Amino acid sequence: DAGVIQSPRHEVTEMGQEVTLRCKPISGHNSLFWYRQTMMRGLELLIYFNNNVPIDDSGMPEDRFSAKMPNASFSTLKIQPSEPRDSAVYFCASSLGTGTSAYEQYFGPGTRLTVT
Amino acid sequence: GNSVTQMEGPVTLSEEAFLTINCTYTATGYPSLFWYVQYPGEGLQLLLKATKADDKGSNKGFEATYRKETTSFHLEKGSVQVSDSAVYFCALWPQAAGNKLTFGGGTRVLVKP
Repeated sequence: DAGVIQSPRHEVTEMGQEVTLRCKPISGHNSLFWYRQTMMRGLELLIYFNNNVPIDDSGMPEDRFSAKMPNASFSTLKIQPSEPRDSAVYFCASSLGTGTSAYEQYFGPGTRLTVT
Repeated sequence: GNSVTQMEGPVTLSEEAFLTINCTYTATGYPSLFWYVQYPGEGLQLLLKATKADDKGSNKGFEATYRKETTSFHLEKGSVQVSDSAVYFCALWPQAAGNKLTFGGGTRVLVKP
């Protein structure tokens, strides 16, 4: 299995630009999570989906952030407009969202976003 | 709400030294507990787990015991290697429905040859 795939691995953009991060979960997993990691705030859960439906977006910092999961094999996290404080590593993770396997999340390699 | 507190790093050790990383939690009922590890430049990966009180999780020489009475899940390894240099995260999965892991702040471990 290829694992969770994220693209791009690195993104450098200017303040005010739109940024789109992409994620392909592991085939057969039905839960998908977006996290943000910074030195100051550690690892934060932004949003998670179960069966392509957003379940909890309470971690999304503000309206500039949006996430979609149009099908079981693809999700996007969009920031519009981007700001320097959005600079972070963004991780996507997936899991079998049922029973006792739900907690075993498989993380992608992350996208390092730098907003100048 | 649920929370996880772990010791701040960095923890710097020599190879073959004993490693302990403290982790305590706050949660109702009987959550499941985990340690995740993040190697440089990579995403997190599950290291070990314990799903009920007094369970001991183990993997790759690491161990942690679920202590309900002290609400703790300390990570230990008897003899660390340079390759164990990483950031270690303690996490809990609530007993109640929720499907969300709560992570601690992470502890960076640096093992020197």
